[in-house]
Amino acid sequence: QKEVEQNSGPLSVPEGAIASLNCTYSDRGSQSFFWYRQYSGKSPELIMFIYSNGDKEDGRFTAQLNKASQYVSLLIRDSQPSDSATYLCAVNEAGGTSYGKLTFGQGTILTVHP
Amino acid sequence: EAQVTQNPRYLITVTGKKLTVTCSQNMNHEYMSWYRQDPGLGLRQIYYSMNVEVTDKGDVPEGYKVSRKEKRNFPLILESPSPNQTSLYFCASSPHGARDIQYFGAGTRLSVL
Repeated sequence: QKEVEQNSGPLSVPEGAIASLNCTYSDRGSQSFFWYRQYSGKSPELIMFIYSNGDKEDGRFTAQLNKASQYVSLLIRDSQPSDSATYLCAVNEAGGTSYGKLTFGQGTILTVHP
Repeated sequence: EAQVTQNPRYLITVTGKKLTVTCSQNMNHEYMSWYRQDPGLGLRQIYYSMNVEVTDKGDVPEGYKVSRKEKRNFPLILESPSPNQTSLYFCASSPHGARDIQYFGAGTRLSVL
């Protein structure tokens, strides 16, 4: 079974710091990578997606993908208390019989304290 | 408003009593999927559907059934629920597949006694 592993939490950072969330995946055929944020009791919502090696920036968020190392990360700059949530990494292997499959990591709980 | 609607939001039932959780989307998405979320395990995919009449197993399909007779609806059926199916369930949809951004419903919290 294909696996997606996230760094174990919980992760606690002070307000204004950089939060770094990491994710590794087992299937080299994986093509699409997502970061979702989930507040307690709510449904996941998309933060970032990335398909190509390198960095992708959107406001305070940067996703980094390294396919050779099978590693994807999410950096949150200038962390705010409102960023406190569970962050879920999700991976899809495009093509073949896995086109519809989306595998999530177990999630990392982030707490940003004032 | 574009949305994915799940019903019911909360359900308590007993072992063996068949139940259906409905999921409907109004975005004309081809792809729909069901997940369960358990503490420490993240979301695990149960079933997905690439289009009408096309369904396939995810990672944890045992004990569940689905159907996709219309594009907008993708019900999850538990024919004989057991306590190990107590969980938080999410339905999601996307335009064309798991490669696209997923839009999630609000979730259904199920307890099987």
